Amino acid sequence: DAGVIQSPRHEVTEMGQEVTLRCKPISGHDYLFWYRQTMMRGLELLIYFNNNVPIDDSGMPEDRFSAKMPNASFSTLKIQPSEPRDSAVYFCASSSAGTGGTYEQYFGPGTRLTVT
Amino acid sequence: AQSVAQPEDQVNVAEGNPLTVKCTYSVSGNPYLFWYVQYPNRGLQFLLKYITGDNLVKGSYGFEAEFNKSQTSFHLKKPSALVSDSALYFCAVREPDSNYQLIWGAGTKLIIKP
Repeated sequence: DAGVIQSPRHEVTEMGQEVTLRCKPISGHDYLFWYRQTMMRGLELLIYFNNNVPIDDSGMPEDRFSAKMPNASFSTLKIQPSEPRDSAVYFCASSSAGTGGTYEQYFGPGTRLTVT
Repeated sequence: AQSVAQPEDQVNVAEGNPLTVKCTYSVSGNPYLFWYVQYPNRGLQFLLKYITGDNLVKGSYGFEAEFNKSQTSFHLKKPSALVSDSALYFCAVREPDSNYQLIWGAGTKLIIKP
């Protein structure tokens, strides 16, 4: 399996622009998670989906952030408008029951977002 | 409330020496416990997990972890450290009957010196 795929790997944009991050989960996984990682705040869960349905978006920082999962093999995280404080590495992860029903998560390589 | 603590921000170990990265947790019931590793500019990689049974679980790259229920700990260990083990290590926990998100520790930076 190719693992979780994220694109782009790096994104540099100007404040006020719209940014769209993309994720393809591992085939057969029924949970998808979006995280943000910064030096100051560490690893933060933004939102997660089960069978393409958003379950908990309480970690989404503001209305500027939105996420969709139109089908089992694709999800997007959109920031509109972007701000410099959104600069971070954004990770997508997916999981399924696995051995013992433990639902360990498998992470993509991340998208490094820089907003100038 | 569920929580995970990694009490050390950084651990320094000489190459060839044993290493321990500490993790304690607070959850109700019998948790599932995980360790992940993050190399620079990479995503988190799953190392090992504890479900039930033997308190010592083995994982990737020669790592193992010891579950101690009375101390609510799940320390990561390796008998002989390699310079290539230098990375950021995260402990995570999930209650079996809860939702499917993981509760994460803050991470411990492991530095192995030659």
